[in-house]
Amino acid sequence: DAGVTQSPTHLIKTRGQQVTLRCSPISGHKSVSWYQQVLGQGPQFIFQYYEKEERGRGNFPDRFSARQFPNYSSELNVNALLLGDSALYLCASSLLGFYEQYFGPGTRLTVT
Amino acid sequence: DQQVKQNSPSLSVQEGRISILNCDYTNSMFDYFLWYKKYPAEGPTFLISISSIKDKNEDGRFTVFLNKSAKHLSLHIVPSQPGDSAVYFCAAPLTQGGSEKLVFGKGMKLTVNP
Repeated sequence: DAGVTQSPTHLIKTRGQQVTLRCSPISGHKSVSWYQQVLGQGPQFIFQYYEKEERGRGNFPDRFSARQFPNYSSELNVNALLLGDSALYLCASSLLGFYEQYFGPGTRLTVT
Repeated sequence: DQQVKQNSPSLSVQEGRISILNCDYTNSMFDYFLWYKKYPAEGPTFLISISSIKDKNEDGRFTVFLNKSAKHLSLHIVPSQPGDSAVYFCAAPLTQGGSEKLVFGKGMKLTVNP
């Protein structure tokens, strides 16, 4: 079975631009969460979606938004990119909630 | 405000010996804890978990101990193998104000030398 997939793998953007990151969960998983991992830190929770509804939001500005589609895939959008948005963005899926979440390989975003 | 703390950034051990990774937490509302392992260029992989109703959970070479009074947990790997070399994260789910989130520590880099 395929694991969690994310695209693209790497991305370079300029300050002020907008970016969309994509995630496909493990088949049968209805919950998708997004995390930001800055170098030297642990992943920071951004969003959780379950059955296409937002279930949780971390302490991130409104420039960050997300959605989940009927097939449970998800997109994370970041507007007006800042240098500080450079990070590894991780997507995780699970059957329910946060227990035993399965992570994708991440998208490395670099903002110049 | 670091609610889950991994105060040692790295640990180096010899193959075959025990690795002990520590984690402290400040939020008394945490009732479940997870350990994840992360290799470079890969996402974190779930390793083992423990509920607050237990003080120990074992899975093969991996054992997690929980000391609720000290708000401390530790992951023991015995025997350590070179393939265990990775970054290990301690994490806890938190429900707050109707929102659910997973809180991670900063991670600890484990190096197991052959």
